[in-house]
Amino acid sequence: AQSVTQLGSHVSVSEGALVLLRCNYSSSVPPYLFWYVQYPNQGLQLLLKYTTGATLVKGINGFEAEFKKSETSFHLTKPSAHMSDAAEYFCAVSDQRRYSTLTFGKGTMLLVSP
Amino acid sequence: GAVVSQHPSWVICKSGTSVKIECRSLDFQATTMFWYRQFPKQSLMLMATSNEGSKATYEQGVEKDKFLINHASLTLSTLTVTSAHPEDSSFYICSANRELGYEQYFGPGTRLTVT
Repeated sequence: AQSVTQLGSHVSVSEGALVLLRCNYSSSVPPYLFWYVQYPNQGLQLLLKYTTGATLVKGINGFEAEFKKSETSFHLTKPSAHMSDAAEYFCAVSDQRRYSTLTFGKGTMLLVSP
Repeated sequence: GAVVSQHPSWVICKSGTSVKIECRSLDFQATTMFWYRQFPKQSLMLMATSNEGSKATYEQGVEKDKFLINHASLTLSTLTVTSAHPEDSSFYICSANRELGYEQYFGPGTRLTVT
């Protein structure tokens, strides 16, 4: 079975500050890892994904994440927060054997203050 | 490319009635579609996985007879909530992936309120 743990249901940063959203996963097989963003009353938008290859993955809107197998982590970062980054962020893992079935973390609400 | 739409975006229905939600892949053929449920301020919970032309696979604890899923074509899946009750009020999100693909493309969601 797979699971995802996102530390912190809420993260608050000031505009221009570093954004760090933490994600740890549990998987018995090599995982695919994803970060999604959700704005209020909307569906999910893919920020970035890791499948194989380079462990540092760059996504949209200046976000990036690094897959660290030894730490079973896939933390999301952005060097400088923007007000428009305020949203809910979900980390997800998929089981390569079950193709694209996703298991989501509980989500982290990013709050950005001026 | 890879756009998924849902209709309606929101719906209010009376307790005991049924409501149908459509999920369409607009610019690709979706061999697999997924239905999720999201309660306020919570994560997405997978309800079922559907493949075109075959019966849906429901996750443990999801009532098959209450949440009817039909995947009649490669671009359309429907979720029908039968005999809806207030506790069925939720945000329902569908997603789809391409043939042999692993990435899911999400629809914008449907807000269901049962009064």
